[in-house]
Amino acid sequence: QVQLVQSGAEVKKPGASVKISCKASGYTFTSYYIHWVRQAPGQGLEWMGIFNPSGGSTTYAQKFQGRVIMTGDLSTSTVYMDLSDLSSEDTAIYSCARDSPSGSYEIDYWGQGTQVTVSS
Amino acid sequence: NFMLTQPHSVSESPGKTVIISCTRSSGSIASNYVQWYRQRPGSPPTTVIYENNQRSSGVPDRFSGSVDSSSNSASLTISRLKTEDEADYYCQSYDNSNLVFGGGTKLTVL
Repeated sequence: QVQLVQSGAEVKKPGASVKISCKASGYTFTSYYIHWVRQAPGQGLEWMGIFNPSGGSTTYAQKFQGRVIMTGDLSTSTVYMDLSDLSSEDTAIYSCARDSPSGSYEIDYWGQGTQVTVSS
Repeated sequence: NFMLTQPHSVSESPGKTVIISCTRSSGSIASNYVQWYRQRPGSPPTTVIYENNQRSSGVPDRFSGSVDSSSNSASLTISRLKTEDEADYYCQSYDNSNLVFGGGTKLTVL
């Protein structure tokens, strides 16, 4: 079965960076894009960007351009999301999510989420 | 980029029908598919409706989706409400390689 398993919770200081992993299994890794979505406490879902494991191309939401980098490792079927220059406003649950077989920006599977807390 | 606007909250009684709207601010709602996700507290979202009106696997036929070009909006209809339907519901669409979520609607079944 399809699974997206993310790395554990992180606590960071303002100005630091965080790198979250998302290990995929149960399907052909290179055949499906991966989205990153975050949810601040009590808030809605916010799209951060998308990564294509086949070739490594990315599209980032304008809000995060210059601060986010999404990469992948084919050997371990893992996608990474690196967010830099953290502030308290980046405290949120970060989730990876698989795009559907149609490849048309429809999410069909989600990771369990990774809590990132930014605090001095 | 466009925005998707949902009511902040809706409430209805068990057995009744509720409709959650999702209005696109610019561009045609019909130009890109709309998805609906359900999120229960402490859990990641799950897909309820994809491609405007297709139920995801395991979703009962009490759930239906539609798109109305005249109001430039999409709707999620849940009939024969059950207490287990209580959750946050998010619409989602995309344009210009950007995915957009609505702000979410808290459904209370009381």
